[in-house]
Amino acid sequence: EPEVTQTPSHQVTQMGQEVILRCVPISNHLYFYWYRQILGQKVEFLVSFYNNEISEKSEIFDDQFSVERPDGSNFTLKIRSTKLEDSAMYFCASSGPAGTYEQYFGPGTRLTVT
Amino acid sequence: GQQVMQIPQYQHVQEGEDFTTYCNSSTTLSNIQWYKQRPGGHPVFLIQLVKSGEVKKQKRLTFQFGEAKKNSSLHITATQTTDVGTYFCAGPRRGSARQLTFGSGTQLTVLP
Repeated sequence: EPEVTQTPSHQVTQMGQEVILRCVPISNHLYFYWYRQILGQKVEFLVSFYNNEISEKSEIFDDQFSVERPDGSNFTLKIRSTKLEDSAMYFCASSGPAGTYEQYFGPGTRLTVT
Repeated sequence: GQQVMQIPQYQHVQEGEDFTTYCNSSTTLSNIQWYKQRPGGHPVFLIQLVKSGEVKKQKRLTFQFGEAKKNSSLHITATQTTDVGTYFCAGPRRGSARQLTFGSGTQLTVLP
């Protein structure tokens, strides 16, 4: 069964550094998403991406964040100048064609900012 | 902004007992989705409900969408240890089809 993959599984970085989190969505999916989950809390939407551009973003997704689909398979989330409060699990998700709304999540990248 | 709340926050049950989690949105939802997250895992899609009053079943799981499309419930009959995890409801933000607002989740523990 196809699945969303994410690398790395755990990233440790120092405050102020830039990180890039990588995702490979399910191959025939058209919509891509990033979510974050602070330990023990609910899942929070960051951004959705469709047709090579951001379609929606939340208040959390400020200028510190950017997304990119550099090739036909990868989908990346870049966090510039990380802060302690960026420590969280970051999930990538994808969903299929128009009319289908269920989202398939990857295993996540645990980001620890020290 | 849109708020999606779930109760209870935690539930401990003996294996074989039933379990119900309730989801309430501050706004009317076009649809509601349910996800399960095992400890240390990622959210896994369970089901989507679209119609007012809709009821769907998956084996021991029964999902219901309220008449006003502002609330939903998930009921598990005769829980098993494999049901352990956190159950989240999620609804699209008003005016959005895909920006999901997740509920606060109900963490289910099943005691053998």
